[in-house]
This record gives sequence, structure tokens and C-alpha cells, in this order.
Amino acid sequence: GAVVSQHPSWVICKSGTSVKIECRSLDFQATTMFWYRQFPKQSLMLMATSNEGSKATYEQGVEKDKFLINHASLTLSTLTVTSAHPEDSSFYICSARAGLAYGYEQYFGPGTRLTVT
Amino acid sequence: ELKVEQNPLFLSMQEGKNYTIYCNYSTTSDRLYWYRQDPGKSLESLFVLLSNGAVKQEGRLMASLDTKARLSTLHITAAVHDLSATYFCAVALLINTPLVFGKGTRLSVIA
Repeated sequence: GAVVSQHPSWVICKSGTSVKIECRSLDFQATTMFWYRQFPKQSLMLMATSNEGSKATYEQGVEKDKFLINHASLTLSTLTVTSAHPEDSSFYICSARAGLAYGYEQYFGPGTRLTVT
Repeated sequence: ELKVEQNPLFLSMQEGKNYTIYCNYSTTSDRLYWYRQDPGKSLESLFVLLSNGAVKQEGRLMASLDTKARLSTLHITAAVHDLSATYFCAVALLINTPLVFGKGTRLSVIA
């Protein structure tokens, strides 16, 4: 089956620093990846849609200059949280949309827990 | 704008009992998903429902879809403690659009 990995699985950083989270599709190519954020005991909220080779599309209310997304290859998208603050602490989950062979299904990564101190 | 509503949001069940979680969505969509999430973990895919009248079953869980009513149900039969988790339904407008999630149903199965 299709597998999506994320790295790191958890990270603690100091306020004001930047953190990069990687999302990889391991056994398929993904022209589109999605980034979600989940606060404790809440649902998943879409942050942005990442398309390979083009600029990401951000949802309303998500600061594109703060959450930098790069989708440089068909198997890798990165989310960089710049100048992180405690309110950015959350569980970040990516998903990758597979192609025809997988019925264009979305597969979710294991998530990255970010804690900003 | 696609909206997805789940109810109940919290559910405490006794072992051995049956119950149903409901998922309503606001506009015609291409497909509906049910996921399970354990604390601190990502999503585990349970079911994908693609057409009106679709019914899928896995163990004690059965999901159905009524596209005319824009309603999906997740039925739990003879609940056991291992089913305690948060269950999300999610809907995609089209095959290439992102999923919109319901708020989730936090299920607790007690002895």
C-alpha cells in the first residue's frame, strides 16, 4: 500500500526559531500534497495545498510568509514554520494524493508534533 | 462551501451495546471517508464510500452512505474497549480536492 512518512515525528524548539517538517511519499509519486494542522481535541484543519513545481495555495487565515511550503519533487514537500511562537504548537499532518494506480486516494503521514517553548 | 457535521461529538458507550455516529455534509461530493484516530497518532483509514447506497463492514464497524440525504452513518455493533478512539468523517468535493473533516466523535467504551 501507499506509505507517507514525516520527519521529524516530534520537535521542540524555542520561540523565534524556524522548524522544517518533511513529508515524503515513499512508494508513489504525488503531484499534490496537503498540509493539515490539528490542535488538541480538535479536528484537522487544512492549511495549504502543495503542488509540485508551483506555489502552494493557502487557506484563508493561514500566513503564507510564516508557513513556507516547498514541493520541489514528486515525492517531497516541506513545511517550514518561521519565527515559531508558542501558539504554533500543534500536530501537523501531511497527506499525499496518489495517482491513477491508487485511485487518486489521499494517504496521510504519521504527523509531526511541534512544541514551541 | 462544503461543511461536514458529525454527531454526537462525544459518546460514552457500555461494552456490548450498539450505537451509530452520523455524518452530514452540505453539498454533493465525490466520496466520503471514515477515519479512526488514537491519542497522539495520525489517521487510520477505515472506509471509503463512493456511491449512493454503499455499505462497508469491517469487524464491529459498518459504514453506509446515502448521497441523496447527504448522510453517512458509522454503526458500532457490540462495542469493545479497543474501539475507544476519535472517529472522523471527511468529504471531498471532487477527486482532486482536499478533504474537509467533521469535528470528530470521541468514543469511549466502558465496561
